[in-house]
Amino acid sequence: SAVISQKPSRDICQRGTSLTIQCQVDSQVTMMFWYRQQPGQSLTLIATANQGSEATYESGFVIDKFPISRPNLTFSTLTVSNMSPEDSSIYLCSVGGVANEKLFFGSGTQLSVL
Amino acid sequence: TQLLEQSPQFLSIQEGENLTVYCNSSSVFSSLQWYRQEPGEGPVLLVTVVTGGEVKKLKRLTFQFGDARKDSSLHITAAQPGDTGLYLCAELTGNQFYFGTGTSLTVIP
Repeated sequence: SAVISQKPSRDICQRGTSLTIQCQVDSQVTMMFWYRQQPGQSLTLIATANQGSEATYESGFVIDKFPISRPNLTFSTLTVSNMSPEDSSIYLCSVGGVANEKLFFGSGTQLSVL
Repeated sequence: TQLLEQSPQFLSIQEGENLTVYCNSSSVFSSLQWYRQEPGEGPVLLVTVVTGGEVKKLKRLTFQFGDARKDSSLHITAAQPGDTGLYLCAELTGNQFYFGTGTSLTVIP
């Protein structure tokens, strides 16, 4: 199993500002994933973060809005840039198992944009 | 990516009742997972089903994979308040997991 620490756990931000979310894993992992969960809804994959290469973004998500860093095998950050109220969501970091057979999740960052 | 439709979207039942949640797709799943998410937490894996027709049991939870591997169900017997949460099916495509639309379950004591 993997233990994932994600911070901040929640934040309230002003429109037009940016927030960086940190994700720390207790073991080295090849792939880390960032998901968004809008209120009362399911999880939508934002991007896959691989160490040593640029993140791979899903349709509808772009690097300028959600820049991702992956400086090593245990850490990643997701920035939500130039925020608007529509960005209010829970953002979740996750990693795959040893054979990527399942996902382990952090507790999420609940973001509210005023 | 294929769309994973779950039904019902919301379910509120009394403690002790039984319920079934469904996950459907227009395409064949390579494998399917069920997760449960409690408020303020990330989803936690309940089970993985791989073979068509497969049935797995986890205490009061029974998971079934359709013969054609295009659908799956989760049946909970004698629901308890601790079963309250968001139930999500998920499929692994390539190296990414894609989640269903979700079923929010509330079990009333």
